[in-house]
Amino acid sequence: SQQGEEDPQALSIQEGENATMNCSYKTSINNLQWYRQNSGRGLVHLILIRSNEREKHSGRLRVTLDTSKKSSSLLITASRAADTASYFCATDAKAAGNKLTFGGGTRVLVKP
Amino acid sequence: EPEVTQTPSHQVTQMGQEVILRCVPISNHLYFYWYRQILGQKVEFLVSFYNNEISEKSEIFDDQFSVERPDGSNFTLKIRSTKLEDSAMYFCASRVERLNSNQPQHFGDGTRLSIL
Repeated sequence: SQQGEEDPQALSIQEGENATMNCSYKTSINNLQWYRQNSGRGLVHLILIRSNEREKHSGRLRVTLDTSKKSSSLLITASRAADTASYFCATDAKAAGNKLTFGGGTRVLVKP
Repeated sequence: EPEVTQTPSHQVTQMGQEVILRCVPISNHLYFYWYRQILGQKVEFLVSFYNNEISEKSEIFDDQFSVERPDGSNFTLKIRSTKLEDSAMYFCASRVERLNSNQPQHFGDGTRLSIL
């Protein structure tokens, strides 16, 4: 798989349920970031986890990072219809300019 | 909260024409980026810019592309002679502080470029 691949590609859940998506990457990273994109809109930064961190929380979001497996997960708890969006992981690798390498994203549909 | 703003939101251009996409990064940010997202595909890095010069560019960013920070606030992406395959959503992003400081990039809402 390529740097920053998400799994699953699509997820459909009922409001109130939890949504979990995973991301795998290949190279050494400074940090890994999760973004949300509503249809046709820009990328909204959700959370950044550094390479020396294993877990991070922000509101209903929980992110884990396993650098030995080169993988991360994003958990959205108690989902709401407004959480319907595409979610992308992006890796900030140890390279000049701190460019982000994005995965293909997970499309999440939260049904009311 | 400060935002990255991009104009126009939608640009329609004939193939072969020049196009300039504009961005106003967050005012105290030092690093600037352009990315693009072809419909249904991943977001792809184009170029990063710091201290008035390009830090890194991707293979996509060929001689047809250029970036400029003409004044203290704007950051532009120019495509000299557009091709059909340049049709995409173009995102500008900016980031504060120094390299490797583990700060997120903040993105604008994008410019949808349609080449006819």
